[in-house]
Amino acid sequence: QVQLQESGPRLVKPSQTLSLTCTVSGGSTNSGGFYWSWLRQPAGKGLEWIGRFFASGTTNFNPSLESRVTISVDTSKNQFFLNLSSVTAADTAVYYCASRSGDPSFFDYWGQGALVTVSS
Amino acid sequence: SYVLTQPPSVSVAPGTTANIPCGGNNFGSKSVSWYQQKPGQAPVLVMYFDSDRPSGIPERFSGSISGNTATLTISRVEAGDEADYFCQVWDSTGDLYFFGPGTKLTVL
Repeated sequence: QVQLQESGPRLVKPSQTLSLTCTVSGGSTNSGGFYWSWLRQPAGKGLEWIGRFFASGTTNFNPSLESRVTISVDTSKNQFFLNLSSVTAADTAVYYCASRSGDPSFFDYWGQGALVTVSS
Repeated sequence: SYVLTQPPSVSVAPGTTANIPCGGNNFGSKSVSWYQQKPGQAPVLVMYFDSDRPSGIPERFSGSISGNTATLTISRVEAGDEADYFCQVWDSTGDLYFFGPGTKLTVL
Protein backbone atom coordinates (compact mmCIF):
# COMPACT_ATOMS: atom_id res chain seq x y z
CA GLN A 1 0.00 0.00 0.00
CA VAL A 2 1.49 3.32 -1.11
CA GLN A 3 1.60 6.05 1.52
CA LEU A 4 2.30 9.69 0.76
CA GLN A 5 3.25 12.55 3.08
CA GLU A 6 3.52 16.21 2.14
CA SER A 7 6.01 18.50 3.86
CA GLY A 8 7.36 21.99 3.41
CA PRO A 9 6.86 25.61 4.47
CA ARG A 10 3.26 26.45 5.29
CA LEU A 11 3.63 30.21 4.92
CA VAL A 12 5.01 31.78 1.75
CA LYS A 13 5.29 35.45 0.93
CA PRO A 14 3.72 36.86 -2.23
CA SER A 15 5.95 36.72 -5.33
CA GLN A 16 8.09 33.98 -3.78
CA THR A 17 8.23 30.28 -4.66
CA LEU A 18 6.11 27.65 -2.95
CA SER A 19 8.06 24.43 -2.45
CA LEU A 20 6.62 21.15 -1.22
CA THR A 21 8.00 17.64 -0.86
CA CYS A 22 6.05 14.40 -1.08
CA THR A 23 7.70 11.45 0.63
CA VAL A 24 6.67 8.05 -0.68
CA SER A 25 6.56 4.80 1.24
CA GLY A 26 5.25 1.42 0.14
CA GLY A 27 6.15 2.24 -3.44
CA SER A 28 9.11 3.51 -5.46
CA THR A 29 9.39 6.71 -7.45
CA ASN A 30 11.76 4.75 -9.65
CA SER A 31 9.16 2.09 -10.49
CA GLY A 32 7.82 1.97 -14.00
CA GLY A 33 4.12 2.54 -14.41
CA PHE A 34 3.69 4.97 -11.51
CA TYR A 35 2.24 8.45 -11.96
CA TRP A 36 3.06 11.04 -9.28
CA SER A 37 0.76 14.09 -9.17
CA TRP A 38 0.18 17.31 -7.29
CA LEU A 39 -3.29 18.77 -6.74
CA ARG A 40 -4.68 21.61 -4.67
CA GLN A 41 -7.90 22.72 -3.05
CA PRO A 42 -8.62 26.28 -1.88
CA ALA A 43 -10.68 26.46 1.28
CA GLY A 44 -14.30 25.58 0.61
CA LYS A 45 -13.67 24.96 -3.07
CA GLY A 46 -13.08 22.10 -5.45
CA LEU A 47 -9.99 20.19 -6.48
CA GLU A 48 -7.54 21.38 -9.13
CA TRP A 49 -4.90 19.17 -10.75
CA ILE A 50 -1.53 20.94 -10.92
CA GLY A 51 0.71 18.51 -12.73
CA ARG A 52 2.18 15.06 -12.92
CA PHE A 53 5.50 13.20 -13.21
CA PHE A 54 5.64 9.81 -14.85
CA ALA A 55 8.41 7.36 -13.98
CA SER A 56 9.70 7.56 -17.57
CA GLY A 57 10.60 11.19 -16.91
CA THR A 58 7.60 12.72 -18.66
CA THR A 59 5.84 15.65 -17.01
CA ASN A 60 2.42 17.13 -17.75
CA PHE A 61 0.92 20.29 -16.32
CA ASN A 62 -2.36 22.12 -16.00
CA PRO A 63 -2.12 24.78 -18.74
CA SER A 64 -3.36 27.44 -16.33
CA LEU A 65 -0.33 26.88 -14.08
CA GLU A 66 2.26 25.49 -16.47
CA SER A 67 4.35 28.65 -16.71
CA ARG A 68 4.91 28.68 -12.94
CA VAL A 69 5.16 24.97 -12.06
CA THR A 70 8.07 22.57 -11.79
CA ILE A 71 7.71 18.95 -10.68
CA SER A 72 10.80 16.86 -10.07
CA VAL A 73 11.82 13.60 -8.42
CA ASP A 74 14.68 12.37 -6.23
CA THR A 75 14.56 8.60 -6.60
CA SER A 76 17.38 8.13 -4.08
CA LYS A 77 15.18 9.64 -1.38
CA ASN A 78 11.91 8.31 -2.81
CA GLN A 79 10.52 11.82 -2.91
CA PHE A 80 8.96 14.10 -5.49
CA PHE A 81 8.68 17.85 -5.38
CA LEU A 82 6.48 20.78 -6.34
CA ASN A 83 7.74 24.28 -7.02
CA LEU A 84 5.20 27.00 -7.80
CA SER A 85 6.76 30.37 -8.53
CA SER A 86 5.47 33.96 -8.26
CA VAL A 87 2.72 33.03 -5.84
CA THR A 88 -0.18 35.27 -4.88
CA ALA A 89 -2.96 34.99 -2.33
CA ALA A 90 -4.92 33.01 -4.93
CA ASP A 91 -2.43 30.18 -4.51
CA THR A 92 -3.42 29.70 -0.87
CA ALA A 93 -4.79 26.16 -0.66
CA VAL A 94 -4.39 22.66 0.70
CA TYR A 95 -1.86 20.96 -1.54
CA TYR A 96 -2.08 17.19 -2.03
CA CYS A 97 0.32 14.73 -3.58
CA ALA A 98 -1.31 11.70 -5.14
CA SER A 99 -0.28 8.64 -7.11
CA ARG A 100 -1.55 5.98 -9.41
CA SER A 101 0.01 2.78 -10.75
CA GLY A 102 -1.28 1.57 -14.09
CA ASP A 103 -4.06 3.33 -15.96
CA PRO A 104 -3.54 7.04 -15.24
CA SER A 105 -7.18 8.09 -15.37
CA PHE A 106 -7.66 8.48 -11.61
CA PHE A 107 -5.83 8.87 -8.29
CA ASP A 108 -6.00 6.03 -5.80
CA TYR A 109 -3.43 7.10 -3.21
CA TRP A 110 -3.41 10.55 -1.59
CA GLY A 111 -1.33 12.32 1.00
CA GLN A 112 -3.10 13.93 3.94
CA GLY A 113 -2.61 17.40 2.46
CA ALA A 114 -0.64 20.49 3.45
CA LEU A 115 -2.24 23.89 3.94
CA VAL A 116 -0.02 26.55 2.41
CA THR A 117 -0.88 30.19 3.01
CA VAL A 118 0.45 32.98 0.83
CA SER A 119 0.69 36.13 2.91
CA SER A 120 3.16 38.85 3.76
CA SER B 1 -10.82 22.91 -21.15
CA TYR B 2 -13.52 20.51 -20.05
CA VAL B 3 -16.37 21.54 -17.75
CA LEU B 4 -18.08 19.23 -15.27
CA THR B 5 -21.21 20.36 -13.47
CA GLN B 6 -22.56 19.14 -10.13
CA PRO B 7 -25.40 20.38 -7.91
CA PRO B 8 -24.06 22.08 -4.78
CA SER B 9 -26.04 19.86 -2.45
CA VAL B 10 -28.13 16.71 -2.20
CA SER B 11 -30.10 15.80 0.92
CA VAL B 12 -31.59 12.39 1.72
CA ALA B 13 -32.95 10.54 4.72
CA PRO B 14 -31.04 7.62 6.23
CA GLY B 15 -31.83 4.30 4.57
CA THR B 16 -32.87 5.88 1.29
CA THR B 17 -30.97 6.26 -1.98
CA ALA B 18 -28.83 9.23 -2.93
CA ASN B 19 -28.18 10.01 -6.57
CA ILE B 20 -25.39 12.49 -7.20
CA PRO B 21 -25.22 13.66 -10.84
CA CYS B 22 -22.24 14.96 -12.78
CA GLY B 23 -22.83 16.63 -16.14
CA GLY B 24 -20.31 16.71 -18.96
CA ASN B 25 -19.83 16.17 -22.69
CA ASN B 26 -18.67 13.08 -24.52
CA PHE B 27 -18.49 10.83 -21.47
CA GLY B 28 -18.32 7.92 -23.87
CA SER B 29 -14.73 8.81 -24.72
CA LYS B 30 -13.66 9.33 -21.12
CA SER B 31 -13.83 7.42 -17.88
CA VAL B 32 -15.39 9.01 -14.82
CA SER B 33 -14.07 8.66 -11.30
CA TRP B 34 -15.64 9.74 -8.03
CA TYR B 35 -14.09 10.82 -4.73
CA GLN B 36 -15.56 11.17 -1.25
CA GLN B 37 -14.12 13.88 0.97
CA LYS B 38 -15.00 14.36 4.61
CA PRO B 39 -14.13 17.60 6.44
CA GLY B 40 -10.42 18.00 7.07
CA GLN B 41 -9.54 14.80 5.21
CA ALA B 42 -8.02 13.93 1.87
CA PRO B 43 -10.29 12.70 -0.91
CA VAL B 44 -10.93 8.97 -1.10
CA LEU B 45 -11.54 7.19 -4.39
CA VAL B 46 -14.97 5.52 -4.33
CA MET B 47 -15.53 4.78 -8.03
CA TYR B 48 -13.37 4.50 -11.15
CA PHE B 49 -13.83 3.49 -14.79
CA ASP B 50 -17.42 4.83 -14.46
CA SER B 51 -18.72 1.97 -12.32
CA ASP B 52 -15.87 0.01 -10.70
CA ARG B 53 -15.49 0.08 -6.93
CA PRO B 54 -12.08 0.02 -5.25
CA SER B 55 -11.58 -2.64 -2.64
CA GLY B 56 -12.97 -1.57 0.70
CA ILE B 57 -15.76 0.57 -0.76
CA PRO B 58 -19.19 -0.83 0.19
CA GLU B 59 -21.38 -2.37 -2.48
CA ARG B 60 -23.93 0.33 -1.62
CA PHE B 61 -21.87 2.63 -3.86
CA SER B 62 -22.42 2.31 -7.60
CA GLY B 63 -21.77 4.39 -10.69
CA SER B 64 -23.43 4.79 -14.05
CA ILE B 65 -23.46 6.96 -17.14
CA SER B 66 -26.45 7.93 -19.26
CA GLY B 67 -25.94 10.37 -22.08
CA ASN B 68 -24.20 13.46 -20.76
CA THR B 69 -24.72 12.60 -17.09
CA ALA B 70 -22.63 10.39 -14.84
CA THR B 71 -24.28 9.41 -11.57
CA LEU B 72 -22.91 8.17 -8.27
CA THR B 73 -25.62 6.24 -6.45
CA ILE B 74 -25.44 5.45 -2.77
CA SER B 75 -28.05 2.95 -1.58
CA ARG B 76 -29.22 2.58 2.00
CA VAL B 77 -27.53 5.84 2.92
CA GLU B 78 -25.89 6.00 6.34
CA ALA B 79 -24.91 8.98 8.47
CA GLY B 80 -21.26 8.19 7.76
CA ASP B 81 -21.83 8.81 4.05
CA GLU B 82 -22.26 12.53 4.71
CA ALA B 83 -19.43 14.18 2.78
CA ASP B 84 -18.51 16.13 -0.33
CA TYR B 85 -18.43 14.09 -3.52
CA PHE B 86 -16.38 15.10 -6.56
CA CYS B 87 -16.52 13.66 -10.06
CA GLN B 88 -13.38 13.64 -12.19
CA VAL B 89 -12.47 12.81 -15.78
CA TRP B 90 -9.18 12.31 -17.55
CA ASP B 91 -8.81 13.76 -21.02
CA SER B 92 -6.43 11.27 -22.59
CA THR B 93 -5.96 13.44 -25.66
CA GLY B 94 -4.51 16.37 -23.78
CA ASP B 95 -3.45 14.26 -20.78
CA LEU B 96 -5.32 16.58 -18.43
CA TYR B 97 -7.52 16.03 -15.41
CA PHE B 98 -10.75 17.87 -14.64
CA PHE B 99 -12.88 17.89 -11.50
CA GLY B 100 -16.46 18.83 -10.88
CA PRO B 101 -17.18 21.52 -8.26
CA GLY B 102 -18.43 18.94 -5.78
CA THR B 103 -21.76 18.03 -4.19
CA LYS B 104 -22.33 18.11 -0.46
CA LEU B 105 -24.37 15.08 0.60
CA THR B 106 -26.40 15.77 3.71
CA VAL B 107 -28.01 12.88 5.57
CA LEU B 108 -31.11 14.29 7.23
